[in-house]
Amino acid sequence: QSALTQPASVSGSPGQSITISCTGTSSAIGTYNYVSWYQQYPGQAPKLMIYDVSKRPSGVSSRFSGSKSGSTASLTISGLQAEDEADYYCSSHTTSSTYVFGGGTKLTVL
Amino acid sequence: QVQVVQSGAEVKKPGASVKVSCKASGYTFSSYYMHWVRQAPGQGLEWMGVINPSGSSTRYAQKFQGRVIMTRDTPTSTVYMDLTSLRSEDTAVYYCVREGGGLAGGKNMDVWGKGTTVTVSS
Repeated sequence: QSALTQPASVSGSPGQSITISCTGTSSAIGTYNYVSWYQQYPGQAPKLMIYDVSKRPSGVSSRFSGSKSGSTASLTISGLQAEDEADYYCSSHTTSSTYVFGGGTKLTVL
Repeated sequence: QVQVVQSGAEVKKPGASVKVSCKASGYTFSSYYMHWVRQAPGQGLEWMGVINPSGSSTRYAQKFQGRVIMTRDTPTSTVYMDLTSLRSEDTAVYYCVREGGGLAGGKNMDVWGKGTTVTVSS
């Protein structure tokens, strides 16, 4: 199963909104609504930010939202803050009952 | 609180095996799937496999088929990942991760260990 495709980097200024895309295939993202997003700071373990395409775990800011269209999922962060600067990874459950991650996107807050 | 605590760093020679452990606490261990995810230095996350709540079934990424074995021990709430025939490309941080959603499986990874660094070097 090939990795999902994410942009290597995105950037935005404080207060702006940014969107990170995650492109898969019909076997990953396209079939199920089992897309998750993870935030990772350097030297730390990832943290679940979005699951089931658009649901937020308890404690995650409402500035984070997710969506999906066809085989592409997206993570949007509104009201960008300095603390949002991190790496973001998408993941999907696949039709083979495995999981696949995207290559990761480095978010820079200007 | 809900957490998974992993074993310490390992240094191995090429061709050797490594067994990483992960002890869960704060929740009903036997009701959750457990995954292993690794991250090579400066690289992204890579899913390795998953073991079901009873330990009776596993699913591995094709890349690791034949080289990885995941097991779990309910009385000690511990899950294990055994990787054999190590090579330098296996140098990475290995994460133990709980899948959310309980017995039904939520298809997401909601509790992550801090990671175990495995270094493969001659």
